[in-house]
Amino acid sequence: EPEVTQTPSHQVTQMGQEVILRCVPISNHLYFYWYRQILGQKVEFLVSFYNNEISEKSEIFDDQFSVERPDGSNFTLKIRSTKLEDSAMYFCASSEGTGRDYGYTFGSGTRLTVV
Amino acid sequence: SQQGEEDPQALSIQEGENATMNCSYKTSINNLQWYRQNSGRGLVHLILIRSNEREKHSGRLRVTLDTSKKSSSLLITASRAADTASYFCATDSSASKIIFGSGTRLSIRP
Repeated sequence: EPEVTQTPSHQVTQMGQEVILRCVPISNHLYFYWYRQILGQKVEFLVSFYNNEISEKSEIFDDQFSVERPDGSNFTLKIRSTKLEDSAMYFCASSEGTGRDYGYTFGSGTRLTVV
Repeated sequence: SQQGEEDPQALSIQEGENATMNCSYKTSINNLQWYRQNSGRGLVHLILIRSNEREKHSGRLRVTLDTSKKSSSLLITASRAADTASYFCATDSSASKIIFGSGTRLSIRP
């Protein structure tokens, strides 16, 4: 069964450093998303992406965050200057059509620890 | 807020029993989805029910939707140890995103 692949599975970074989280969505999916989950808390929406542009972003997704689909297969989330409160599990997801109508396929996540 | 809220927050049952989780939401929706998350893992899509549907089945899962009460329920029949996980409902806040509730932590006792 097709999978969404995320790398790395775990990343530790110093506060203030830039991190790039990588995702390979399912090949025929057109819609891409990033969510995050702080330990023990809700799964929070960050951003949705379609047709090489951001469809919608949350208040969390400020100027420190950016997304890119650099080569037609990868989908990346960059955090420019990490803060302690950015520590969380980050989940990438993709959907064949709009997620509201098709459901999302999630990756296994990247656990980001900012120290 | 559009997000769903699950009830109960935690549920512990004996293997073989049925588990029922409820979700309430605040505004109108097109579809409602249920997801499962095993500890420390990604979310797995279980089932999607459209606003014009009242009930949907998938294997041991049964989902109901009552749009007049803005509520949904997920029933897992004949529970197994492998069903131990957190279960989330998700509502379509817009065409571009779905919003998750806080989840129900389900524990199945052997």
